[in-house]
Amino acid sequence: DAGITQSPRHKVTETGTPVTLRCHQTENHRYMYWYRQDPGHGLRLIHYSYGVKDTDKGEVSDGYSVSRSKTEDFLLTLESATSSQTSVYFCAIMGRESGNTIYFGEGSWLTVV
Amino acid sequence: AQSVTQLGSHVSVSEGALVLLRCNYSSSVPPYLFWYVQYPNQGLQLLLKYTTGATLVKGINGFEAEFKKSETSFHLTKPSAHMSDAAEYFCAVTLSGGYQKVTFGIGTKLQVIP
Repeated sequence: DAGITQSPRHKVTETGTPVTLRCHQTENHRYMYWYRQDPGHGLRLIHYSYGVKDTDKGEVSDGYSVSRSKTEDFLLTLESATSSQTSVYFCAIMGRESGNTIYFGEGSWLTVV
Repeated sequence: AQSVTQLGSHVSVSEGALVLLRCNYSSSVPPYLFWYVQYPNQGLQLLLKYTTGATLVKGINGFEAEFKKSETSFHLTKPSAHMSDAAEYFCAVTLSGGYQKVTFGIGTKLQVIP
């Protein structure tokens, strides 16, 4: 198993509250990603990082921000959660060591009520 | 830019029958192609990948896929379906040369009928 840990794994929060999801890797891979998975949409990229303090937007970045202050940690923040952000969030990593193969964490189930 | 199209969001097969899940891609440069499997309430697990070399790629659990450049396809097959194959399958593409963006298809749910 790729050394990826997501926390929390499950969370219920109220509309308008901030939420932070954490992704921690032990592989020292350069690239880290946050995806959301919704029925009928597959996986959609929210943000990704290509190094410490280097991040960029994906296709569904509105309402989300990220930070990467250390190689091993990639944080996803919902500044003010909305019901449309109820989803399953997956962190993923990729690096030259993995042959440009992306590996996923176990997911974080977020419900916004 | 790259994109992936998975034909059929739901596929049903009988146990013991051939499994065929279709994936077509578009890519401006030679692609790297992947198939992932997802079991309920779990993350995505790599089944197999194509980067360069042999176009027929074998993966875990008896699955294989063939890269056909002329057809821009990377279909996933398994000769004989097992009940444990019931899951959702995702095709993905990234560009060769180390580019980091990975694009996924919308997924195909495989149902295996006893």
